[in-house]
Amino acid sequence: GENVEQHPSTLSVQEGDSAVIKCTYSDSASNYFPWYKQELGKGPQLIIDIRSNVGEKKDQRIAVTLNKTAKHFSLHITETQPEDSAVYFCAASIWGGATNKLIFGTGTLLAVQP
Amino acid sequence: GAVVSQHPSWVICKSGTSVKIECRSLDFQATTMFWYRQFPKQSLMLMATSNEGSKATYEQGVEKDKFLINHASLTLSTLTVTSAHPEDSSFYICSGGSGRAIYNEQFFGPGTRLTVL
Repeated sequence: GENVEQHPSTLSVQEGDSAVIKCTYSDSASNYFPWYKQELGKGPQLIIDIRSNVGEKKDQRIAVTLNKTAKHFSLHITETQPEDSAVYFCAASIWGGATNKLIFGTGTLLAVQP
Repeated sequence: GAVVSQHPSWVICKSGTSVKIECRSLDFQATTMFWYRQFPKQSLMLMATSNEGSKATYEQGVEKDKFLINHASLTLSTLTVTSAHPEDSSFYICSGGSGRAIYNEQFFGPGTRLTVL
């Protein structure tokens, strides 16, 4: 089955700096890769996603890149702000598969220091 | 985006009792709902997948007789933790998929914190 690895587990940056979180997946059939932000005591919120037919997607300060050959994808946050501090999860899924279930990475705790 | 609610947001119960958690899709019809469990500082672990009107499909290692899932309508799914024990204390999160999305976007609820004494 699919396995998703995520690095780093913790990341501390200064306000205004960029943050990069990387994930690798094992199943080449995966074609949908969302990123979620989870604040303490809350459910995950989708912040950006990418499909396998594109290599990059950007939404204001957030961007995601996908390398299908290497089976890895990354989240880039520019001009970080204290409110970006949270746990970030990547996930992978096979649309059209038997269950369409998401396989999550292990999470990255991002701390943005003011 | 689509909205999913959960009730209750937190619950404390005694060991041996049963607890029901509701998950509702408020502005879309969730043909598929997923239930996750999350322990402190860990990732989300999928427990089961349910399609409206069908029996749930449980992940390996999840006891279907302990975690009863009902998905009787396109807007409501329930998870009942039967004979709860302290090790069942966790953060339970549901998500819904509309089935009409081009890809399988899931919309997550706010979670339910279960504490079993």
